[in-house]
Amino acid sequence: DGGITQSPKYLFRKEGQNVTLSCEQNLNHDAMYWYRQDPGQGLRLIYYSQIVNDFQKGDIAEGYSVSREKKESFPLTVTSAQKNPTAFYLCASSWQGASYGYTFGSGTRLTVV
Amino acid sequence: SQQGEEDPQALSIQEGENATMNCSYKTSINNLQWYRQNSGRGLVHLILIRSNEREKHSGRLRVTLDTSKKSSSLLITASRAADTASYFCATDGGGGSEKLVFGKGTKLTVNP
Repeated sequence: DGGITQSPKYLFRKEGQNVTLSCEQNLNHDAMYWYRQDPGQGLRLIYYSQIVNDFQKGDIAEGYSVSREKKESFPLTVTSAQKNPTAFYLCASSWQGASYGYTFGSGTRLTVV
Repeated sequence: SQQGEEDPQALSIQEGENATMNCSYKTSINNLQWYRQNSGRGLVHLILIRSNEREKHSGRLRVTLDTSKKSSSLLITASRAADTASYFCATDGGGGSEKLVFGKGTKLTVNP
């Protein structure tokens, strides 16, 4: 079955640590996105990528980094520079940008301990 | 930047009733989309309506779009307990926009 897989489902980070969230899709979608969701809030865009080896900053890119070395994969690293990383992180993909519906993963809940 | 704003923020109804959620946005769009999110899960795409369409149906869902008022509504008819979720509208910002901007959502509770 085609879909988008995020791992891990839960992640705990110590202060000063970098952590990487995985996102893999087998839908052959060109575009991939990372959003952050805080309790009771909407989604805020962190980074997005339209093609391999290219990505753009979203509205809240500070403290995050991404790579797009393969079409199927778009990992997100939460660096120690991100001061308030506790949130629910959602990865999405689409056929061609915002002209089509997004397919979302099931999310990773990151908690700072 | 929040493009869409849903109204109301929360809605509680009885099973069998209809639920209406509204979305207002600020800039021109090519399309507007509605998504559902069950608690602690990812979002699920429900329906996409293009700027040249006024109404669209999918099963028990009816979406309207009024570009002159920059607003959309999502109607769920004959609601079920399983419809309990948060509902988000998302817009593409018009032009050649590559990304969706989401509102804060409406939390719908359907009581059995």
